[in-house]
Amino acid sequence: GNSVTQMEGPVTLSEEAFLTINCTYTATGYPSLFWYVQYPGEGLQLLLKATKADDKGSNKGFEATYRKETTSFHLEKGSVQVSDSAVYFCALIRNTGGFKTIFGAGTRLFVKA
Amino acid sequence: EAGVAQSPRYKIIEKRQSVAFWCNPISGHATLYWYQQILGQGPKLLIQFQNNGVVDDSQLPKDRFSAERLKGVDSTLKIQPAKLEDSAVYLCASSQKVAASFGSGTRLTVV
Repeated sequence: GNSVTQMEGPVTLSEEAFLTINCTYTATGYPSLFWYVQYPGEGLQLLLKATKADDKGSNKGFEATYRKETTSFHLEKGSVQVSDSAVYFCALIRNTGGFKTIFGAGTRLFVKA
Repeated sequence: EAGVAQSPRYKIIEKRQSVAFWCNPISGHATLYWYQQILGQGPKLLIQFQNNGVVDDSQLPKDRFSAERLKGVDSTLKIQPAKLEDSAVYLCASSQKVAASFGSGTRLTVV
């Protein structure tokens, strides 16, 4: 079946540190891959996406590369800010008679000043 | 464009009571989703509509949960009767193509 596995949190970093949140997936065929971010008290917001192998999604300094050979889509940012504190969800979307999104469990990030 | 609107933002009910949530998707989005997000977990799809038809309701506890999408626009999700384990955030999302846009959710507490 289709599934997404993320590294467990929470992840605690100091401001300007380098961030990596690991995400691996299991899927048949060629899913699209996404990272969503959820700030406290808010709904999920699309952060970035990649729709085919070797694509790199990027937004707000965050990047993730679709690696088919390792079935991974790790999220990275070179220098985190306090305002990046949130929960990050890795997700895949399969078109199975309608686009169906499968989410990972989420990784909470705390950034200290 | 206006985002996905949900109401209420918060709801507290006693177990065995009923509750309903409302969602207004982004205009023109044919696909509408209801997700349940339990604290510390990722969202779990409850039901997916394409226009006013159900595409996937395989994880909807149909003995107590129901959802409808009249005229292919707004949607309501109902729980009757509620159980303690239904305490969660209920997220509505809509999409036109692939990526979905989410509302802020309704936080339900069952006591």
